[in-house]
Amino acid sequence: DAKTTQPPSMDCAEGRAANLPCNHSTISGNEYVYWYRQIHSQGPQYIIHGLKNNETNEMASLIITEDRKSSTLILPHATLRDTAVYYCIFSNTGFQKLVFGTGTRLLVSP
Amino acid sequence: EAGVVQSPRYKIIEKKQPVAFWCNPISGHNTLYWYRQNLGQGPELLIRYENEEAVDDSQLPKDRFSAERLKGVDSTLKIQPAELGDSAVYLCASSLPLGNYEQYFGPGTRLTVT
Repeated sequence: DAKTTQPPSMDCAEGRAANLPCNHSTISGNEYVYWYRQIHSQGPQYIIHGLKNNETNEMASLIITEDRKSSTLILPHATLRDTAVYYCIFSNTGFQKLVFGTGTRLLVSP
Repeated sequence: EAGVVQSPRYKIIEKKQPVAFWCNPISGHNTLYWYRQNLGQGPELLIRYENEEAVDDSQLPKDRFSAERLKGVDSTLKIQPAELGDSAVYLCASSLPLGNYEQYFGPGTRLTVT
């Protein structure tokens, strides 16, 4: 299974940027990086994905290093509702076969 | 647009009893997934359907678990008989077969086996 490494937990003050790192040193050239999050008692929610270039959408930005061995998910202005577990995943069999790790538990505090 | 619907939301049963979970995916989504999520862990794929066909069931414990998606729309996941270790959240997700790279998850069914 494709493996990623994420810190188990992080804290962020409300209104500040949350930068969540992910190491995926075994990623190969055609594998995308996906980020999902899971708010308590809900199912996971897709955030963003990328291959090589940095990506931005209404929820977050994804910065992928040039060697593609790591990435950072950025929530530019974290709110209390961003408190969740964030999963970084890469897949060698497409977006339909995602292997979730244990993720990073982000706590946003007032 | 309605999201993925799952029922029941919670279920408590005694071990050795059967249990079934139901999922209705987003309209038009051909691909349907069942995941199991143990406490403190990420979701683990059990089975994936493309329309009526189970295309990946390698992680489904086939001795006691079964699933069906008879008309290619809604799906049922069954456990018979349930064991204490089956206590978990069972998540259903759906997606379009190609294109937008996103799986849409339902809220899950929390199963407690006593």
